[in-house]
Amino acid sequence: GQNIDQPTEMTATEGAIVQINCTYQTSGFNGLFWYQQHAGEAPTFLSYNVLDGLEEKGRFSSFLSRSKGYSYLLLKELQMKDSASYLCAVRDMDDKIIFGKGTRLHILP
Amino acid sequence: EAQVTQNPRYLITVTGKKLTVTCSQNMNHEYMSWYRQDPGLGLRQIYYSMNVEVTDKGDVPEGYKVSRKEKRNFPLILESPSPNQTSLYFCASSLLGSGSTDTQYFGPGTRLTVL
Repeated sequence: GQNIDQPTEMTATEGAIVQINCTYQTSGFNGLFWYQQHAGEAPTFLSYNVLDGLEEKGRFSSFLSRSKGYSYLLLKELQMKDSASYLCAVRDMDDKIIFGKGTRLHILP
Repeated sequence: EAQVTQNPRYLITVTGKKLTVTCSQNMNHEYMSWYRQDPGLGLRQIYYSMNVEVTDKGDVPEGYKVSRKEKRNFPLILESPSPNQTSLYFCASSLLGSGSTDTQYFGPGTRLTVL
């Protein structure tokens, strides 16, 4: 079956760095996405990886290793507004999109 | 403004009463998708479409129908809703191209309650 695993919850301190991991087992691979979702709102796109390596976008970076079925989202200089759920999703060989259950990130002042 | 719209945003209905949730995008995206989001289960794909007249089942298609007669619209139909379909529903759209940044844009969500 297809499966995406990510931690349920994490806590970090304002100004710090946090890494959210995601491992996946899917029927083929056509790209991995990270989304941010605030409570009661729609997910918003953060990053997309289809090749191995690190993609950097301001305070947010995402890393992919296809051979290990592994990705992480790195958030730097954490701000209180970063308190949200972070969703990892994979597009499989049939272009079906499978989401992980999300990681709820709590930021402490 | 590039956007995905869904209607209605909130709906309370009764078991067995057919309903349709509309979804429309103005970005000329090929790929459109419906998800439901439930506590502890995350987002699960119901149906997706890669272009007009092309639809495919996602992970949880039972009890739902979709159609894609025009590129911009992708309605979700519940022929005979049941209480286990009470959920938060999201429509999303994206370009579809290998190697491109296939960002999915999500609609605002429809909160459905089936009594």
